[in-house]
Amino acid sequence: DIHVTQSPSSLSASVGDRVTVTCRASQNIGDYLSWYQWKRGTAPKLLIYGASNLQSGAPSRFSGSGSGAIYSLTITNLQPEDFATYFCQQTYSTPYSFGGGTQLEIK
Amino acid sequence: QVHLQESGPGLVKPSGTLSVTCAVSGGSMRRSDWWNWVRQSPGKGLEWIGEVSHSGTTTYNPALKSRLTISIDKSKNEISLKVNSVTAADTAVYYCARGGDYGVLKNALDVWGQGTKVVVSS
Repeated sequence: DIHVTQSPSSLSASVGDRVTVTCRASQNIGDYLSWYQWKRGTAPKLLIYGASNLQSGAPSRFSGSGSGAIYSLTITNLQPEDFATYFCQQTYSTPYSFGGGTQLEIK
Repeated sequence: QVHLQESGPGLVKPSGTLSVTCAVSGGSMRRSDWWNWVRQSPGKGLEWIGEVSHSGTTTYNPALKSRLTISIDKSKNEISLKVNSVTAADTAVYYCARGGDYGVLKNALDVWGQGTKVVVSS
């Protein structure tokens, strides 16, 4: 099984800041890495697929990068609606696994 | 636009069977779709449970496989999840989500339901 480690688990930032979240897989996952945003009581929302591709409808301030086993999500110019939980998922091989999540809070 | 809505019993007794259904609306169940189940236990991260294809082929998380049944009913536009012999550890919010685009999306889950909370307790 592929294990995914996400860091940090929580992050405090201010509106307008730039933040980065990282996921490390236990092996090369060939860009089969997605990023999601989740707010309590709502459906998780796909932000980035294939490591670096912005999902239709997701704001351009979200970007993904990385390759091999290490991937990052960067949010520039944080907006109030961005304060949420973010998690990554590898879909390279089953069982598909998730990172532990990053809770982004307002400083 | 496809919309997913989970429904479940809310409360299940230990050793019983948890049954959750996901209704698909606003679009068709495409031949390329794989329908996934994911859960989030209190205070824990997300756990991938398994998936079912349009044709009914299933892939299960080995950690849960012996207790799982995932099925698809295309006539009702529904996907179902059953977990047998439940314990308190199965208490979670259960989500269904659409995957299956191994080309462009690299199997990302592009549509999710809002989830249904199931508590295992006597």
